[in-house]
Amino acid sequence: GQQVMQIPQYQHVQEGEDFTTYCNSSTTLSNIQWYKQRPGGHPVFLIQLVKSGEVKKQKRLTFQFGEAKKNSSLHITATQTTDVGTYFCAGGAGGTSYGKLTFGQGTILTVHP
Amino acid sequence: EAGVAQSPRYKIIEKRQSVAFWCNPISGHATLYWYQQILGQGPKLLIQFQNNGVVDDSQLPKDRFSAERLKGVDSTLKIQPAKLEDSAVYLCASSTSPQGFSKNIQYFGAGTRLSVL
Repeated sequence: GQQVMQIPQYQHVQEGEDFTTYCNSSTTLSNIQWYKQRPGGHPVFLIQLVKSGEVKKQKRLTFQFGEAKKNSSLHITATQTTDVGTYFCAGGAGGTSYGKLTFGQGTILTVHP
Repeated sequence: EAGVAQSPRYKIIEKRQSVAFWCNPISGHATLYWYQQILGQGPKLLIQFQNNGVVDDSQLPKDRFSAERLKGVDSTLKIQPAKLEDSAVYLCASSTSPQGFSKNIQYFGAGTRLSVL
């Protein structure tokens, strides 16, 4: 079955430093979504990427979808303490999968003030 | 707009006991998902409903887990009997429709944290 891997598993940064997490799928994806889960909270949707090579920005967050639609990245510029949490990518297989998402294991981000 | 409602928030049971979780999705959302999230891992899909029909239950341990969505609105997930390895957070999510990329954005409830002793 489809597998989605994320690296790194943990990232500790000083406030103001940049952060990047990478996501790789074993199969070609129809779309990829990113979610953020605060400590003790539930996953909250951040963004969806659909097109090959797509790049989207949300303030300090930049999301990329690879040309082959098998990998993606999330980059945060100048991290803040409010960025703390676990960032998950979730791959959609499309076709007859009826919207099913396969989540990566997440990257836990800690920001030291 | 009200979010996805789940109850209870926490549950502690002993192994071999049974437990049930309840989920009420966002009004009008046709698709409902149950996920299991073990500490330190990403959510793992257990079962997906489209209205009151099952679309995907390939990862549901059917010897002990069951789920239903009667009337196509709220849903219950049951575990009977529970095992130690079932300790996890059970998340319910809903989306408007699986048809097309733009409509499978999932909205999660707060989850039920299950501890099996």
